Amino acid sequence: DGGITQSPKYLFRKEGQNVTLSCEQNLNHDAMYWYRQDPGQGLRLIYYSQIVNDFQKGDIAEGYSVSREKKESFPLTVTSAQKNPTAFYLCASSIVTDFTGELFFGEGSRLTVL
Amino acid sequence: KNQVEQSPQSLIILEGKNCTLQCNYTVSPFSNLRWYKQDTGRGPVSLTIMTFSENTKSNGRYTATLDADTKQSSLHITASQLSDSASYICVVSASRSFQKLVFGTGTRLLVSP
Repeated sequence: DGGITQSPKYLFRKEGQNVTLSCEQNLNHDAMYWYRQDPGQGLRLIYYSQIVNDFQKGDIAEGYSVSREKKESFPLTVTSAQKNPTAFYLCASSIVTDFTGELFFGEGSRLTVL
Repeated sequence: KNQVEQSPQSLIILEGKNCTLQCNYTVSPFSNLRWYKQDTGRGPVSLTIMTFSENTKSNGRYTATLDADTKQSSLHITASQLSDSASYICVVSASRSFQKLVFGTGTRLLVSP
């Protein structure tokens, strides 16, 4: 089945540690996105990528880093510079030029800082 | 400032009843409006996508309406089921790109038996 796979589902981190969240898609989509979801707030865009080896900062990129070495993969690293990393992280993908098309989401990864 | 406001914040209804969720937006320029369903701890799933010229769009028991003049949308759920218990998120696109999506905070719906 086509879709987006995020792992791990739950992740615990000690302060000062970097952690990497995985996102893999088999939809053959060029564009991929990372969002952060906090209680009582709308989803906020962290990073996005429209093509391999290229990515752009979203609205809240500070303390995060990404890579896009393969079309299928868009991992997100939450660095120790992110002051409040506890959140629900969602990866998404889309066809770049279909602006009225679907934006598909993964099942999310919940990161908790201990 | 581009904003999407949803009401009510939460809602409890009895199984089998209908309900309507509201979305008001101040997003400009407007490209399209989306409704998503998000189960607790899961990723959002698309229900409908409407462009400027569309007034109504249905997906099974879900019917979305759009009034671009008043910048309001609603999501009507007919004959609710327990599985409808979820958060419903309104999303407005501020341009012809996914990078400019503005997300509402959602309405949390609980369908009670």
